[in-house]
Amino acid sequence: DVKVTQSSRYLVKRTGEKVFLECVQDMDHENMFWYRQDPGLGLRLIYFSYDVKMKEKGDIPEGYSVSREKKERFSLILESASTNQTSMYLCASSLGQGQPQHFGDGTRLSIL
Amino acid sequence: GESVGLHLPTLSVQEGDNSIINCAYSNSASDYFIWYKQESGKGPQFIIDIRSNMDKRQGQRVTVLLNKTVKHLSLQIAATQPGDSAVYFCAENINTGKLIFGQGTTLQVKP
Repeated sequence: DVKVTQSSRYLVKRTGEKVFLECVQDMDHENMFWYRQDPGLGLRLIYFSYDVKMKEKGDIPEGYSVSREKKERFSLILESASTNQTSMYLCASSLGQGQPQHFGDGTRLSIL
Repeated sequence: GESVGLHLPTLSVQEGDNSIINCAYSNSASDYFIWYKQESGKGPQFIIDIRSNMDKRQGQRVTVLLNKTVKHLSLQIAATQPGDSAVYFCAENINTGKLIFGQGTTLQVKP
């Protein structure tokens, strides 16, 4: 079974802090994704990566950056956290195009 | 623009009955579709997928039907159980590896 592990289930940070969310997958998947999930808005793609050191903007990249130094790890960075970034963050990975994405259990992030 | 929608935000069924969850998509170029199940406090879990060259695919207690003529996707769950209570999402792939997700239908199973 594919396992996607997100480092924290719950996180509370303050406005203006730099926040790191970590994601690791154990199936040698090429593609990795970061989403946020908000009530009434569904899942929205923030950033994705098709290879190591490669990144592409998703639909809502503003205020975020990412890092993929190793194939198995994809980090989401909130450069200066704001209250409107309070959300559930979900990481996913897939073997390739036309393959299902497998999700972690999410990090519920609160920015105070 | 592209959108993937589910017809009903909530579906309530009796335990043991069959459930049908519907999804409409708008992009005729979509070539791959996935159904996910999300339980409270967990991430979406892959259930079943179907490619655009098929119109039906069966799994364990689940069947996905694809009607490309009317751009409609459905998930059928046989003999619904309390453990099936969750939010169900459809997602479509438009040849890019990115997925577009619907809003989700909450399935409530009454004992």
